[in-house]
Amino acid sequence: AQSVTQLGSHVSVSEGALVLLRCNYSSSVPPYLFWYVQYPNQGLQLLLKYTTGATLVKGINGFEAEFKKSETSFHLTKPSAHMSDAAEYFCAVTPSKNNDMRFGAGTRLTVKP
Amino acid sequence: NAGVTQTPKFQVLKTGQSMTLQCAQDMNHNSMYWYRQDPGMGLRLIYYSASEGTTDKGEVPNGYNVSRLNKREFSLRLESAAPSQTSVYFCASRTSWGQGASGNTIYFGEGSWLTVV
Repeated sequence: AQSVTQLGSHVSVSEGALVLLRCNYSSSVPPYLFWYVQYPNQGLQLLLKYTTGATLVKGINGFEAEFKKSETSFHLTKPSAHMSDAAEYFCAVTPSKNNDMRFGAGTRLTVKP
Repeated sequence: NAGVTQTPKFQVLKTGQSMTLQCAQDMNHNSMYWYRQDPGMGLRLIYYSASEGTTDKGEVPNGYNVSRLNKREFSLRLESAAPSQTSVYFCASRTSWGQGASGNTIYFGEGSWLTVV
């Protein structure tokens, strides 16, 4: 079965600094990979996804992620953090054309002024 | 466009009581899901339904039952609630497979906060 590991349950950055949230996955078949964001007391919203094709994926709010098969990673980055980026971020994986989607434990991002 | 709607939003149960969480989506999606979210554990899949008439267990199905009533509705039932089932529950539905902007995207409801005392 597939699984996701997010390194770091809490990440703190200063406003304007680089954001890097780490995600590693395991999957026995080619995976589809996702990043979701959750603001307090809300459901999850899709940031970006990788299915096939270009390994560098751009999402909303200036975020991007790169699929690296050799490293089984799908890290999320943003060049310059904004205060509004403070939220919890979840990485998720699903095997190609499979209905079972699994999420990581989440990383809470804090942005300091 | 309501998306995914789940009810109730808040519920307090006594140990041993039963209840059903309701979920409906108006996006004509085939796949629907129930997750629970607990601090430090992320979202864990309870059950999912790939299509009307089918359901499958996820990571943590014990203590729960589900019904895919029709294409729109997917309910989660706690037959005998336990304090360990105190959690936030999310229903979700997913678009069909595809590589376009909307393909294979999960949409979440706003959550149901359940406390079992």
